[in-house]
Amino acid sequence: KQEVTQIPAALSVPEGENLVLNCSFTDSAIYNLQWFRQDPGKGLTSLLLIQSSQREQTSGRLNASLDKSSGRSTLYIAASQPGDSATYLCAVGGTSYGKLTFGQGTILTVHP
Amino acid sequence: NAGVMQNPRHLVRRRGQEARLRCSPMKGHSHVYWYRQLPEEGLKFMVYLQKENIIDESGMPKERFSAEFPKEGPSILRIQQVVRGDSAAYFCASSPPLAGAYNEQFFGPGTRLTVL
Repeated sequence: KQEVTQIPAALSVPEGENLVLNCSFTDSAIYNLQWFRQDPGKGLTSLLLIQSSQREQTSGRLNASLDKSSGRSTLYIAASQPGDSATYLCAVGGTSYGKLTFGQGTILTVHP
Repeated sequence: NAGVMQNPRHLVRRRGQEARLRCSPMKGHSHVYWYRQLPEEGLKFMVYLQKENIIDESGMPKERFSAEFPKEGPSILRIQQVVRGDSAAYFCASSPPLAGAYNEQFFGPGTRLTVL
């Protein structure tokens, strides 16, 4: 059974810092990994999708890496801003039809 | 292209009533997934459907819960005889029809169910 763990559970940083969020998974037989952002009381916004054959994906100030063999992914946020404050979720796609297994999330607070 | 739509956004039911949650996938998407987020817990997969077919319902409670995705109209998640433990946020996601495992899932805003 796939288990996804995110560390840290919460992170508070001053504006402008570069930061790294970690995600680990127990079963390396995955199809893809997706990072989401969730604002309080809202739905999920997809940030980055990494296929199992890829090592990383970039979008603006975000960069996500994937090391399938070690069961790890990191989300790097450059030059953080208060608007980046949200819960960040890592989800692993482990079946042929895309069923996702989620981590518990990292609550990020960026203060001015 | 409108995103995934869910309604209602908030739903209040008394114990024993029925709850019906609706999800309209993005245009052109034929795969629908339902996830549940219980208070203080992560999102958990419930069921995966294609048009008129339930493909995987391994995450759905065996009793009181059912899901459908008819040929026409939205996908429906139905909870009969709700109990307080059903209070949660229910999210629907959709993805395009080709190579499902490799496609990004797009999530709706969720339905927040409160059972009194």
